[in-house]
Amino acid sequence: SQQGEEDPQALSIQEGENATMNCSYKTSINNLQWYRQNSGRGLVHLILIRSNEREKHSGRLRVTLDTSKKSSSLLITASRAADTASYFCATDGRPNSGYSTLTFGKGTMLLVSP
Amino acid sequence: DGGITQSPKYLFRKEGQNVTLSCEQNLNHDAMYWYRQDPGQGLRLIYYSQIVNDFQKGDIAEGYSVSREKKESFPLTVTSAQKNPTAFYLCASNPSSLRDSHNEQFFGPGTRLTVL
Repeated sequence: SQQGEEDPQALSIQEGENATMNCSYKTSINNLQWYRQNSGRGLVHLILIRSNEREKHSGRLRVTLDTSKKSSSLLITASRAADTASYFCATDGRPNSGYSTLTFGKGTMLLVSP
Repeated sequence: DGGITQSPKYLFRKEGQNVTLSCEQNLNHDAMYWYRQDPGQGLRLIYYSQIVNDFQKGDIAEGYSVSREKKESFPLTVTSAQKNPTAFYLCASNPSSLRDSHNEQFFGPGTRLTVL
């Protein structure tokens, strides 16, 4: 079963606008990560937020985490056409295991038009 | 250059044939993973390995097999028992196998397998 669920499934915006994607999960986590995937390519890690953190920034990216609501959001500010991609959240998927694995959501497909 | 390589990029096979997908990393990472991605879907974990000569089943291991004879290599065999093998396969690695390590996963470029 998939731990994270992104919302919306697809998002279409104009260059310069902000894009917000949300992720909900079900079980307790150590950290939550966001990845980006260009069409037909592998995933690229964007940002990791630990369970004891509430907000994190990296360049034009801002991630929030609300463990009481089991949700996270990814904000991309001043979007560019090059931001067009699918974005996935991932949580450590086996809470009772000492090993590091990730469980991915189905992703949000972002289209940024010039 | 350090990184993860997967070969080939595209692979075609006839139904009923086994096929092996290659994954190599020169990052000296302990953990390696295989995922399957279907159109419009997220990634599903097939197998993972935390150390040489050891591997664990993921969520959808049926019809697949792996080996980890060397730290750098984690090949995936898609057997004829896999009912719907056509998919995009992604390999990844992680510096540490431990859950508390808070490490990102590094992904290869993927192999698109089409079974005719």
